[in-house]
Amino acid sequence: GQQVMQIPQYQHVQEGEDFTTYCNSSTTLSNIQWYKQRPGGHPVFLIQLVKSGEVKKQKRLTFQFGEAKKNSSLHITATQTTDVGTYFCAAELTGTASKLTFGTGTRLQVTL
Amino acid sequence: EAQVTQNPRYLITVTGKKLTVTCSQNMNHEYMSWYRQDPGLGLRQIYYSMNVEVTDKGDVPEGYKVSRKEKRNFPLILESPSPNQTSLYFCASSSLWTGMWETQYFGPGTRLLVL
Repeated sequence: GQQVMQIPQYQHVQEGEDFTTYCNSSTTLSNIQWYKQRPGGHPVFLIQLVKSGEVKKQKRLTFQFGEAKKNSSLHITATQTTDVGTYFCAAELTGTASKLTFGTGTRLQVTL
Repeated sequence: EAQVTQNPRYLITVTGKKLTVTCSQNMNHEYMSWYRQDPGLGLRQIYYSMNVEVTDKGDVPEGYKVSRKEKRNFPLILESPSPNQTSLYFCASSSLWTGMWETQYFGPGTRLLVL
């Protein structure tokens, strides 16, 4: 079964509102990656987190890796219509080297 | 330009008719992988390859075969396709450096319909 759960499945926000998606696992993660997939497109790598408690920022996007390395989040500040798409986390579970398990994704819709 | 290419992009076939989806990358990446994407299930890994002649099963390998005879190519073979293999397929590649993941590049996808 799915070992990496992502919530919410879908979120609709007004432009300018913030957005957060969460990725949770019952298993310790060696590392976690985040991807964005625009409608009709392919996943595009955003970032990788490796260290416990790590926080990384890319402009309006903030990525966090939990202290226990079992969860992660992506936060977008002041969403724009260009943020529309599906955001996936992908994790290497401890003990499964070189194998990536993707979350089910969060689809973000942004309206004016 | 760094890229992963897949062919064909769209394919309609019938149950039992063998097919191959090709994947090629021009970045000299060691690691290549195949995923399928289905609504509500995200991306699930089918097979991956750490290098030439080294392949391993992902989460959903049943009904698929792969080969890695050359570093740049990683074809996905469906020996006897069935309707439950109707899906959107992505090939991806990345380099691996001391066990740390590098950026994984995805191909444009192949949409397969099996009747």
